[in-house]
Amino acid sequence: AQSVTQLGSHVSVSEGALVLLRCNYSSSVPPYLFWYVQYPNQGLQLLLKYTTGATLVKGINGFEAEFKKSETSFHLTKPSAHMSDAAEYFCAVSDRSTPLVFGKGTRLSVIA
Amino acid sequence: SAVISQKPSRDICQRGTSLTIQCQVDSQVTMMFWYRQQPGQSLTLIATANQGSEATYESGFVIDKFPISRPNLTFSTLTVSNMSPEDSSIYLCSVVERYGLGEKLFFGSGTQLSVL
Repeated sequence: AQSVTQLGSHVSVSEGALVLLRCNYSSSVPPYLFWYVQYPNQGLQLLLKYTTGATLVKGINGFEAEFKKSETSFHLTKPSAHMSDAAEYFCAVSDRSTPLVFGKGTRLSVIA
Repeated sequence: SAVISQKPSRDICQRGTSLTIQCQVDSQVTMMFWYRQQPGQSLTLIATANQGSEATYESGFVIDKFPISRPNLTFSTLTVSNMSPEDSSIYLCSVVERYGLGEKLFFGSGTQLSVL
């Protein structure tokens, strides 16, 4: 069975500071990994995904994530936080044929 | 936290038939969403189910193909109509539960649909 652990239900950063949202997964097969963002009163929006190939994946809004098999991690980063980045972020894993398994989410607050 | 019961968990259907997927939540929630996840792909939002009014559909999805009901704040259905093999996918129900000044997103376990 697959699982996702997002460390920290709430992360707070200053505007302009580095954003680091942690995600660790478990999967018995090579995983597909995803990061989604949810803004208030909206559905999920895909930030980026890893399927195969390059382990550093670039997404929208300046976010990127690196798949590290040895660490079973897929942490999300952004060099410089913007106020508009404040939202809930979800990491998810899939083994290609089953429903996505989501982490519990991390709420990102950006302080001016 | 909200507990979501989504049924059926999987089904195999014949081309041209319709399937209704149910999503029951154990608490009243303001927003409910329906997503599609094609094999190995990310989620695609189909529509937002609005209580007491028509659902709001995303680009590429229409009410005739994916009629949605939301009779109250704890229940919604998604129907996949006149199915074709291209509709084979996983369908997910999702809800937003508000607490205090915040909100949280929860997911059903999904419905794996195969159309022959």
